[in-house]
Amino acid sequence: ELKVEQNPLFLSMQEGKNYTIYCNYSTTSDRLYWYRQDPGKSLESLFVLLSNGAVKQEGRLMASLDTKARLSTLHITAAVHDLSATYFCAVDHTGTASKLTFGTGTRLQVTL
Amino acid sequence: DAMVIQNPRYQVTQFGKPVTLSCSQTLNHNVMYWYQQKSSQAPKLLFHYYDKDFNNEADTPDNFQSRRPNTSFCFLDIRSPGLGDAAMYLCATSYGVDETQYFGPGTRLLVL
Repeated sequence: ELKVEQNPLFLSMQEGKNYTIYCNYSTTSDRLYWYRQDPGKSLESLFVLLSNGAVKQEGRLMASLDTKARLSTLHITAAVHDLSATYFCAVDHTGTASKLTFGTGTRLQVTL
Repeated sequence: DAMVIQNPRYQVTQFGKPVTLSCSQTLNHNVMYWYQQKSSQAPKLLFHYYDKDFNNEADTPDNFQSRRPNTSFCFLDIRSPGLGDAAMYLCATSYGVDETQYFGPGTRLLVL
């Protein structure tokens, strides 16, 4: 059974600071997604990482994938309040129809 | 704009009273998914349609059924809702199994 774990589960950080969210998964996968969810809202796609060593950046967020270590990171640079949300990584099961298993989620709170 | 639409956004039902949630899409995607997300938890895949082929997750209760009458629409039927079925229900679509899933705004279900 595929397990996807994120840490930390909750992160409170000040504006302007940097931090990294980690996503570990238990079985082989070549595709990993990061989603953002605001309270009471749906999921917004941030990144899709398709191969070992993939790195993608959008604004203050940068995601990377190490398939050998079964690890993805979401790095936040110079956080701003608008980044406050819950961030989920999701792993696609290799060899099957696209079936996402989501991580536990990291609730990010950026304070002034 | 192409999008995934869910109706209603909020649904209140009584214990044991059947309820149907609706999802439609203008993306012309061939895969449609239903997820259940309970409060402060990650989304959990219930089932998906690849074109007309229905794929049920092994741990999805029999109480949950789905219909896809055409490419654009997909329905989630809960035959006898229990208190534990109160959750946000998210519909998602993708074009093929290797593509990013796009989520609708969700339907929040309350069971009294």
